[in-house]
Amino acid sequence: GEDVEQSLFLSVREGDSSVINCTYTDSSSTYLYWYKQEPGAGLQLLTYIFSNMDMKQDQRLTVLLNKKDKHLSLRIADTQTGDSAIYFCAETLGITGGGNKLTFGTGTQLKVEL
Amino acid sequence: NAGVTQTPKFQVLKTGQSMTLQCAQDMNHEYMSWYRQDPGMGLRLIHYSVGAGITDQGEVPNGYNVSRSTTEDFPLRLLSAAPSQTSVYFCASSYESSYNSPLHFGNGTRLTVT
Repeated sequence: GEDVEQSLFLSVREGDSSVINCTYTDSSSTYLYWYKQEPGAGLQLLTYIFSNMDMKQDQRLTVLLNKKDKHLSLRIADTQTGDSAIYFCAETLGITGGGNKLTFGTGTQLKVEL
Repeated sequence: NAGVTQTPKFQVLKTGQSMTLQCAQDMNHEYMSWYRQDPGMGLRLIHYSVGAGITDQGEVPNGYNVSRSTTEDFPLRLLSAAPSQTSVYFCASSYESSYNSPLHFGNGTRLTVT
């Protein structure tokens, strides 16, 4: 199956680090993504990681991938109020007869408190 | 360059009514798709298209039709609306069907069926 699970809520204080976790069940996933959804808007791609990588860093964002445990995490350093949003992880099996088909997690609502 | 444009933003239908959700992109993207977003369930793929004249079913296609007569437009039709179709609908597009061609999302259409 292609289930992607996330916790629904996370609350952090401004300036702290946030860690959003995701587990997936399909070991053949080739790429894993993190998307951000701000209120009233669509999803925006934050970053992605190829399945042969363990870690990817992009400014305040660090993605960790544990293939053995099928666990993906997104760490946001120095979390700001503008980071408040819903964060979705997603996986793709690559190109199978065409189609950029992603399976999305349930989303984690991040709330940043002052 | 407007990106992905969805209309309308909000819609209320009565059970049994039909309507079309519009999606247009001006980025010359080959791949387009429709997702629905429901609380606690993430985004689920309804239909997708890898190019003009080509469409295929996603995870939850029942009750929806699509067509792709042009590269720019990918309308989603509800033939006979049901309360179970109350959801937020997102259209997304990408340059091609590959991992390094990120999905661009519209801002969504919030549909309520009474």
